[in-house]
Amino acid sequence: DAGVTQSPTHLIKTRGQQVTLRCSPKSGHDTVSWYQQALGQGPQFIFQYYEEEERQRGNFPDRFSGHQFPNYSSELNVNALLLGDSALYLCASSLAFGFTDGYTFGSGTRLTVV
Amino acid sequence: LAKTTQPISMDSYEGQEVNITCSHNNIATNDYITWYQQFPSQGPRFIIQGYKTKVTNEVASLFIPADRKSSTLSLPRVSLSDTAVYYCLVGDMTNGGSQGNLIFGKGTKLSVKP
Repeated sequence: DAGVTQSPTHLIKTRGQQVTLRCSPKSGHDTVSWYQQALGQGPQFIFQYYEEEERQRGNFPDRFSGHQFPNYSSELNVNALLLGDSALYLCASSLAFGFTDGYTFGSGTRLTVV
Repeated sequence: LAKTTQPISMDSYEGQEVNITCSHNNIATNDYITWYQQFPSQGPRFIIQGYKTKVTNEVASLFIPADRKSSTLSLPRVSLSDTAVYYCLVGDMTNGGSQGNLIFGKGTKLSVKP
């Protein structure tokens, strides 16, 4: 049973560019959340998708957007990249109803903006 | 949302029991307490969750006093591989869709020495 899969694992982008990160949730999960983790900090919530809609959003600018597909997979898009966007981006899947074992996190995408 | 406070770091030796205490004075009635473990360059991994009293699984025990204003994660007989950051989170788990706004602090960095 596959866990959460994220791609790519590493990415280097230039300031001002746009990036798309991808996530496949754990089998049976229907909710996907995205987190940003800067070095030495805890993960910070970006947004959560359920039924192909953004349900909750953290304190991140509109440059951060996302999408959820009918198969529950998700994308995170970041426009006009800044140096400060360099971080580990984590995708977590869960069940919208019926708590089981919390979030299942992927290993993340390491984004470096130069 | 309830805020949590936990030690920044802890040191231990192989074979010892480690107890990490988390303070959550403003915990709400519907809030559960959840602990995650994170290794470098990996996503957090669910360890244990509880509401009150004691919860035990194959990895750890979670002790929650009657007032629920704190909790203690207990790791029996730690090994070098338990070196990681441990996060204490508090949130309403009655609806899985609310999990998106769980707040990660900086966690407790546990270092296990031989």
